[in-house]
Amino acid sequence: AQKITQTQPGMFVQEKEAVTLDCTYDTSDPSYGLFWYKQPSSGEMIFLIYQGSYDQQNATEGRYSLNFQKARKSANLVISASQLGDSAMYFCAMREVSYNTDKLIFGTGTRLQVFP
Amino acid sequence: DAGVIQSPRHEVTEMGQEVTLRCKPISGHDYLFWYRQTMMRGLELLIYFNNNVPIDDSGMPEDRFSAKMPNASFSTLKIQPSEPRDSAVYFCASSLAGTAYEQYFGPGTRLTVT
Repeated sequence: AQKITQTQPGMFVQEKEAVTLDCTYDTSDPSYGLFWYKQPSSGEMIFLIYQGSYDQQNATEGRYSLNFQKARKSANLVISASQLGDSAMYFCAMREVSYNTDKLIFGTGTRLQVFP
Repeated sequence: DAGVIQSPRHEVTEMGQEVTLRCKPISGHDYLFWYRQTMMRGLELLIYFNNNVPIDDSGMPEDRFSAKMPNASFSTLKIQPSEPRDSAVYFCASSLAGTAYEQYFGPGTRLTVT
């Protein structure tokens, strides 16, 4: 069985500081993909960043980077120079592929609050 | 592009009534996903379509739920009869080429069944 674990229900960070949101995963498949999504209070889910299991380098997208440690099965999201607008729920997700399905499995999320 | 469009944004209905949620995916996207988000179960996939064909409906809770995609620009999720435990936020998402790629989510429909 595959699963995604986010152990931090909530995190606080001061504006302009960096913050790391943890995500660990469990899979026996050699090929997989990991995603991070942001859900602000308005409710929509916004894609942030993707990491493929065979990617040699950690993914980066602007202020977002993914600290991918394959041996530890972790894919932590790092947000640099936090902004007030970063306050939101953050979800880690893993692609699950089998003979009859191809879908994303989401973690329970981490609520990030950025304070001035 | 307008993004994924869902309607209604909010729906309040009484137990036993039929509920229909609507979704218009982004033009050109071949995949459409229906998700449900609750505090207890988090975000879970209900069903997804590829080129209007349902591929995996194993997440549909029970026979009271049904989904259709009559054409590339429209999909519905129907609950009949609705129950209070169906109260949740229902998201529609679309993707250019499956789950290996970014999914674009709609704003969601908040369903309350009393």
